[in-house]
Amino acid sequence: DVQLLESGGGLVQPGGSLRLSCAASGFTFSSYVMTWVRQAPGKGLEWVSGLRGDGVSAEYADSMKGRFTISRDNSKNTLSLQINNLRAEDTAVYYCARWRGDQSEFDYWGQGTLVTVSS
Amino acid sequence: DIQMTQSPSSLSASVGDRVTITCRASQTASIYVNWYQQTPGKAPKLLIYAASSLQSGVPSRFSGSGSGTDFTLTISSLQPEDSATYYCQQSYTTPTFGQGTKVEIK
Repeated sequence: DVQLLESGGGLVQPGGSLRLSCAASGFTFSSYVMTWVRQAPGKGLEWVSGLRGDGVSAEYADSMKGRFTISRDNSKNTLSLQINNLRAEDTAVYYCARWRGDQSEFDYWGQGTLVTVSS
Repeated sequence: DIQMTQSPSSLSASVGDRVTITCRASQTASIYVNWYQQTPGKAPKLLIYAASSLQSGVPSRFSGSGSGTDFTLTISSLQPEDSATYYCQQSYTTPTFGQGTKVEIK
């Protein structure tokens, strides 16, 4: 079975940094684009970033460019998201999601990890 | 970015009712629209992809239609376990989501 397990969330002060991880299993990790989607408390879903299977081509939502860096380690089946200079508005549950490229949809999601930015 | 606008924002219906949620794109999304179901505290779940294809394991009471800018998610006979928030999402360009429709059971 496909499983995605996020970790690394927590409480961080404004201006701080955090690295989120997503451990994948049950599929050929290197064959898929992997993505991060976030959801602020009580709000809707917002795509953050995506990374091709070979780790070469990364994309970011316009509002995420500059402070967010996505990466992956295909030898460890792990996806990561580095977030720098955290702001209160980055407070959200961050989901790791697999992107199925045939018709372009998020077909599997992790349970999410909560990032809270507060002093 | 393509903006996705869902309506209604919320609805209340009885078990067995036919429920329709609409999603309008600010420009064409072709058929690249997907629908997700999210219950409180859980991750979203893919229901419909490519506007009208049913994801494996999803009950057949869920269906999708549309192309271009107008899309619809229909639940043919609402069940208690369908109480959730539903999101449309386009993947014609950089992915964007609708604001969600909360479905409650009367």
